Amino acid sequence: KNEVEQSPQNLTAQEGEFITINCSYSVGISALHWLQQHPGGGIVSLFMLSSGKKKHGRLIATINIQEKHSSLHITASHPRDSAVYICAVPNFGNEKLTFGTGTRLTIIP
Amino acid sequence: GAGVSQSPSNKVTEKGKDVELRCDPISGHTALYWYRQRLGQGLEFLIYFQGNSAPDKSGLPSDRFSAERTGESVSTLTIQRTQQEDSAVYLCASSLDLWGEQYFGPGTRLTVT
Repeated sequence: KNEVEQSPQNLTAQEGEFITINCSYSVGISALHWLQQHPGGGIVSLFMLSSGKKKHGRLIATINIQEKHSSLHITASHPRDSAVYICAVPNFGNEKLTFGTGTRLTIIP
Repeated sequence: GAGVSQSPSNKVTEKGKDVELRCDPISGHTALYWYRQRLGQGLEFLIYFQGNSAPDKSGLPSDRFSAERTGESVSTLTIQRTQQEDSAVYLCASSLDLWGEQYFGPGTRLTVT
């Protein structure tokens, strides 16, 4: 089973700050997922990436396959970005996802 | 277009009763996934379908859990003889192709009393 570690577990920042959330995994993968879980529980897929960098609005995800590490960045953070951000990777030998424990982000106005 | 829908949104049941949870995936999505999230814990993978086939059922917590899918449409997750430890939010997701980007439903919150 692929081991997934996220850091930090909790992050509180002021509105406008640049946010970085990190994800490390133990076994080489085909693609990594970043998900956002809102306070009400709904989950949204943010990115699925296998190499390099992807950008969507103020969100940027990067992955380094050799180092088995991915980062999620939020520029010009806003209170509506407050959520739990979850990294997920497939298991070696199959593609069933293993999820990180999540990073709880709180943006203060 | 319509997203993934799940029903019921909330279910309270007595210990020992059977429950059936329903998931309607996005039309045209061949793959469907079930997850569980216990209170305060992370997501736990249960089972996936490629079409109506579930090649790997090893993620189901016990033999009280079963799942079916009709073609590339609705799926049901059935829990027999519910136990208090089954209380959780059960999430369904679908993707166009197997292991592609997944779109999540709102979940069913199951409470076993």
